[in-house]
Amino acid sequence: DADVTQTPRNRITKTGKRIMLECSQTKGHDRMYWYRQDPGLGLRLIYYSFDVKDINKGEISDGYSVSRQAQAKFSLSLESAIPNQTALYFCATGLAGGSQYFGPGTRLTVL
Amino acid sequence: GENVEQHPSTLSVQEGDSAVIKCTYSDSASNYFPWYKQELGKRPQLIIDIRSNVGEKKDQRIAVTLNKTAKHFSLHITETQPEDSAVYFCAASPRGYSTLTFGKGTMLLVSP
Repeated sequence: DADVTQTPRNRITKTGKRIMLECSQTKGHDRMYWYRQDPGLGLRLIYYSFDVKDINKGEISDGYSVSRQAQAKFSLSLESAIPNQTALYFCATGLAGGSQYFGPGTRLTVL
Repeated sequence: GENVEQHPSTLSVQEGDSAVIKCTYSDSASNYFPWYKQELGKRPQLIIDIRSNVGEKKDQRIAVTLNKTAKHFSLHITETQPEDSAVYFCAASPRGYSTLTFGKGTMLLVSP
């Protein structure tokens, strides 16, 4: 089945470390997104990309960067992790017109 | 930018009862409104969506209604079952874009 996958699924790291979260999809969608989920705050958009050469900041991009290596791959980096970046991170892919499909999530803990 | 408010934050019902979750949005240009269900430890999954040219849409026990004038939309679940227990998120997408702004979620608990 066409799907969205994320690696790693869980990661514990220390303050100041650089971390990369990876997302791959076999859905053939052009559009890819990174969200952060915190209890009681819903899903907040970090970055999004409509094609390989297109990168856009979302609501909460500070402290994060992204790379769209191919149509099927979209990576999120935390240049210098801090404890308040502890959260559940979701990648999503989408079609023009709005529908989005989520990966299984990466649980990141920054000590 | 778009702002989406969702109420209530928690909702407890008995099995067989109906449940209603309401959302309001701020951007009158928004034209796509999906609803996602997230079970504990799982990814959000699209359960139903509606576009601004439609007032109501049904899929078995779930339905969504949209009032463009008042800028609000609602999710209705009838004959609730324990497996409906989850967090539900509404979202809105402005015309011409493919980003979504999400509400903060509603935890629905269905007791047997």
